[in-house]
Amino acid sequence: GAVVSQHPSRVICKSGTSVKIECRSLDFQATTMFWYRQFPKQSLMLMATSNEGSKATYEQGVEKDKFLINHASLTLSTLTVTSAHPEDSSFYICSARLAGGDTQYFGPGTRLTVL
Amino acid sequence: GNSVTQMEGPVTLSEEAFLTINCTYTATGYPSLFWYVQYPGEGLQLLLKATKADDKGSNKGFEATYRKETTSFHLEKGSVQVSDSAVYFCAPGYSSASKIIFGSGTRLSIRP
Repeated sequence: GAVVSQHPSRVICKSGTSVKIECRSLDFQATTMFWYRQFPKQSLMLMATSNEGSKATYEQGVEKDKFLINHASLTLSTLTVTSAHPEDSSFYICSARLAGGDTQYFGPGTRLTVL
Repeated sequence: GNSVTQMEGPVTLSEEAFLTINCTYTATGYPSLFWYVQYPGEGLQLLLKATKADDKGSNKGFEATYRKETTSFHLEKGSVQVSDSAVYFCAPGYSSASKIIFGSGTRLSIRP
């Protein structure tokens, strides 16, 4: 149980385009989902926390207009990287948490490459 | 603020060696404590957790004990295998802030 999927697993796009990444909890309802970014050989950096049906809470230094997060249902959150640039290239990982739980379950990650 | 410090890597061991990866955290409250593992090219997987003092989390031969007095949650395994090669993250979860804070990660390589 507690499986989280991400789609796509890899995406390559041109500079200036927008990319949407989906995060789904497959066998549980996730009231809270988290989006992280991971640079090569580094730890995870929390970008934002999203609760179903409300606006996401962004960490300091993360541009909310650039990284649009939507959590429209209890099983789906999306991250849209708008007007992507090469410096946005990274590994993006989502996680989901059950209501009242303390454990986050992670998706497999999405590798974004912006040319 | 809340923070976590874990042993820097990389750590290279021979197969069947004993493993310890140290982890300490700041304690403003009573966090739940997690170890996550990331295999090459993959996302994070929960390895084990402990939710209160003196609890021992265990999985796949790995163990960690919640030590409130030393604010530590060291990861141990008695006999490592090549398949244990991965990056290990210590992560206290602070319910008041509703987030998990990740350590810097420790890269473990096991030689056959």
